[in-house]
Amino acid sequence: QVQLQESGPRLVKPSETLSLTCTVSGYSISSGYYWGWIRQFPGKGLEWIGSIYHSGNTYYNPSLKSRVALSVDTSKNQFSLKLNSVTAADTAVYYCAGITTAGFSDYWGQGTLVTVSS
Amino acid sequence: EIVMAQSPATLSVSPGERATLSCRASQSVSSNLAWYQHKPGQAPRLLIYGTSTRATGIPARFSGSGSGTEFTVTISSLQSEDFAVYYCQQYNNWPITFGQGTRLEIK
Repeated sequence: QVQLQESGPRLVKPSETLSLTCTVSGYSISSGYYWGWIRQFPGKGLEWIGSIYHSGNTYYNPSLKSRVALSVDTSKNQFSLKLNSVTAADTAVYYCAGITTAGFSDYWGQGTLVTVSS
Repeated sequence: EIVMAQSPATLSVSPGERATLSCRASQSVSSNLAWYQHKPGQAPRLLIYGTSTRATGIPARFSGSGSGTEFTVTISSLQSEDFAVYYCQQYNNWPITFGQGTRLEIK
């Protein structure tokens, strides 16, 4: 059974960097999926942040491209998100997900609420 | 980017009845449309991809249809566990985009 689990600080100060890691179990991240991050603003819809392939190829949402970086660590079966220069507008539940090569997500983490506040 | 609009925002239906949720894309996404079910505190769950293909383990009461810019998901006979928020997602163009969701609530 494939499981994804997000980890990282739940509280980040404005202007600092939000860092999250997703640990994948039950599936090797080198086996062909894209791995990505999606966030949900309080009371609102979902926003795709970006995706990364195990080779390191990345795709970012243009609205965040200047502030976001994804990376993958195949030795730990993990992938990570860094979002810099955060503001209160970045407060959201962050989900990691396994994304098929077609583009839909059939594996999701439980999500983690990250609050940006001083 | 492609904007996805879902309607209605909230749908009140009695258990056992049929529910139809709609999704409209600002430009054609071909058949590259997925639906997700989301319950509070849980991970979103893939229901349908490719407009009409049910994901593994999804009951046959869920069906999807449409093409181009207009899509629907129908739940033929609502069960208590079906009351949730439903999102459509297009994956035809980067960036991937989602609708704002339809909340399906018990009438």
